[in-house]
Order: sequence, then structure tokens, then C-alpha cells
Amino acid sequence: AQRVTQPEKLLSVFKGAPVELKCNYSYSGSPELFWYVQYSRQRLQLLLRHISRESIKGFTADLNKGETSFHLKKPFAQEEDSAMYYCALSGQGGNKLVFGAGTILRVKS
Amino acid sequence: DTGVSQDPRHKITKRGQNVTFRCDPISEHNRLYWYRQTLGQGPEFLTYFQNEAQLEKSRLLSDRFSAERPKGSFSTLEIQRTEQGDSAMYLCASSLFGQGNHEQYFGPGTRLTVT
Repeated sequence: AQRVTQPEKLLSVFKGAPVELKCNYSYSGSPELFWYVQYSRQRLQLLLRHISRESIKGFTADLNKGETSFHLKKPFAQEEDSAMYYCALSGQGGNKLVFGAGTILRVKS
Repeated sequence: DTGVSQDPRHKITKRGQNVTFRCDPISEHNRLYWYRQTLGQGPEFLTYFQNEAQLEKSRLLSDRFSAERPKGSFSTLEIQRTEQGDSAMYLCASSLFGQGNHEQYFGPGTRLTVT
């Protein structure tokens, strides 16, 4: 079964603190992993994908196949990072996305 | 092109009525996806098209739901005999399959409330 688990509904940190949003997945095969973000009153948008191995807005995520995890990290949180973050997976080749339930990140000043 | 658009943005209907939503994808995108999102959950896949062909349907898509993409451009999602459990945000996304990263671009959603 394809499943994405985000164990935290809410993560609240102070500005400048490190952030780690957890994501674990189950998938039989080699999935593609993504992080999507939804800022207040905006549509869902792609933040980053594991195959790109790039840093977007200071965020990085490494795919750990042994632990079936794809945690999102940022060393120093900024207030503008406050948003809903969804981890998602798809099979190879751009098929449907399977999303986790999402984590609200609140960055306090 | 300003991205994926959906119409209407909000729909309130009485139980038992039929509703239809429209999605206009990014013009050159050949794949179009429908998802449903309920409060506190991530989006759940409903169905997707490649051009005009409907390639996959979720078990969530009961026989009261039907989706079309007649000319491989815009798509409609119809719900017949709506139930209160159909209340949700319906999201549409599109992607360009076959070239590069096939990223899915999402629309703003249609929020359905069934009273």
C-alpha cells in the first residue's frame, strides 16, 4: 500500500531556530518524493522534490530509503516560512500523488 | 496563461442536487488530475486524464461521480445526488507528461458545501 505519514499536525518554532518536518512513507518500488507548501490564501505549490537534490528557500530534504523517510529541514526558520507543508509521493513517471495529512509550521517572532 | 483555473470557487448546494465543476489546465499540459481534500487531511487522488483518455480512477470515485475531458483541454467533474459527505475542497492539477520533471501545478480549488 502507498502511504505517507506526517506525525506532527503542528510544529511551532521561534524565528532563527532549526526546523525539521518529518515524513515517512511506505511504497513497494522506487517512489518519487515531494514536499508541497501552501501559504495562507494561496494554492498548493511544489517546494522541492528528491530527484532535484536542491535547496529551495533554504529548505532541503534527503531521501533515506533505509528508514523510508524524507524529512524537510531548514537550519534557521523565518517568519515567512509559516505555512502548511505536505509530503507526497508518486510512482515513477509522473502519476498520481499520495499526500500526507500535512504539518502546520508556525514561526514565532 | 495564469496557471490552472477552477470554476466556481465556492458552491453551496442542497443534498440530492447535482453539481458540476470545471478545471482549465495550463494550456500545453497533457495530464489533468482531480483530488479531493477534506478538513485536516491532505489531498486524495480521484482520477486523472492524459489528453482525453481517463487513465485511472480511485475507489473514492463512486458511481455518483463522473469526470470528462472531451477535447483534451478543460475537464469537468460532476457529482450526482450530492450527499453531505461530499462536502470538501475539490482540487485540479495539470502537468506536462513526457518532458522533463512532470511537476503537477494546482488550481485554487472549488469548495463544495452540501447542506
